Formats: sequence, C-alpha cells, structure tokens
Amino acid sequence: EDKVVQSPLSLVVHEGDTVTLNCSYEVTNFRSLLWYKQEKKAPTFLFMLTSSGIEKKSGRLSSILDKKELSSILNITATQTGDSAIYLCAVKAQGYDSWGKLQFGAGTQVVVTP
Amino acid sequence: ETGVTQSPTHLIKTRGQQVTLRCSSQSGHNTVSWYQQALGQGPQFIFQYYREEENGRGNFPPRFSGLQFPNYSSELNVNALELDDSALYLCASSLKGTDTQYFGPGTRLTVL
Repeated sequence: EDKVVQSPLSLVVHEGDTVTLNCSYEVTNFRSLLWYKQEKKAPTFLFMLTSSGIEKKSGRLSSILDKKELSSILNITATQTGDSAIYLCAVKAQGYDSWGKLQFGAGTQVVVTP
Repeated sequence: ETGVTQSPTHLIKTRGQQVTLRCSSQSGHNTVSWYQQALGQGPQFIFQYYREEENGRGNFPPRFSGLQFPNYSSELNVNALELDDSALYLCASSLKGTDTQYFGPGTRLTVL
C-alpha cells in the first residue's frame, strides 16, 4: 500500500529561524510530489516536484525532491509568525487506480513564536 | 483564494441521517475530487469526478456517493451517518491530466 510519512509531526521555532520539513514516500509508479500549507481549513498549494523538476523556490520557501532516497524536504528561511500552519505533503502516482488521488501524509504542525 | 467554494461551512447531524455537501469548481477546471480529513490527520481521498462520472475511488464504502453536474460543480452524499464520519470534508478542483488540485475551504461535519 502506498505510504507518505512526514516528520517531525510538530515543531516550535522562533521568528527568524530556519525550518526543514521532511517527507518520505513509498508509492508505486511515482509521478509527482506536492506541498500544501493549511492554516485554517483550505490547503493552499505551494510546490509541485516531478522527476523533471526536482527543485522549486518561491521567496523564503524552497523544496527539493530526492528521487534516490524517495523523499523531499521543504525549507522555510527567516520564518515569520504568518508561517505558522500545518504543512502537508502529497504524492501522485501514475496509472488507472490512481486517477485523481493525492496520497497525503499526516502533516507537520509548525508554530512560529514572536 | 482558489475560487473553489463549498457549502455549508458547518453541519451537525445525528447518527443514521443523510447529508449532502456541495462544491463549485474553480473556473476552467473540469475535475472535482473529494477528501475527508479527520482531526490530526492528512486528507484521505474519497473519489474524483470527471465528465459527470466517478473517475477513481479511495477506500470508502458505497454509502459515500457523489454527483458532478454539467457546470462541473459537485455534490458529496453520505448516507447512514456514523460517528466516525465527523470530519472536515474538502473539495478540490483541477484540470484533467494535471496533478495540482486546488482546495475549497471545506465543510465541517459533526455527527452526534
């Protein structure tokens, strides 16, 4: 069965710190990995990584896909209180049985204190 | 904001009842997926609709059913509600063949 595991489950940092979140996966016929930020209800899309696009950056956020280790990291530099949220990692597989399905991890709760 | 809307925002039902949740897709999207997110967990895939037909299904029983309409909006129906159905129900829209899904704000369902 496909599996996505995120670590740590939660962490507390001070404003200005750098945060590194991990996501590992076991998925048959990997297609893409997506990161979302969930503050209250709606997960908002951050990045999508594929075999042909293994590194993405947007402002203080960046993400890398390690195809060999079957994992990804999400980095947040110079954290702000507005970065406090649950960060979700999801994996999309190829194939008929996986149409439409994003397989999510449990998420990492990040709390940034002033 | 993604342009995906859901209604209602909150809902309280009792065990055994039936519920219908609604979702409007982002403009230009033709595919709708539904997810259940229990407290402290990641979203779990229920099913996806494309061209008004179910296009893929997760490990949910048949009492979870759906519809997609010609304007690409969608409904999730849950019959014979159980206490464990209490969760946040998220709808996500996308363009067929692409991987990125854009989520609505969700409906919080409480079953008493």
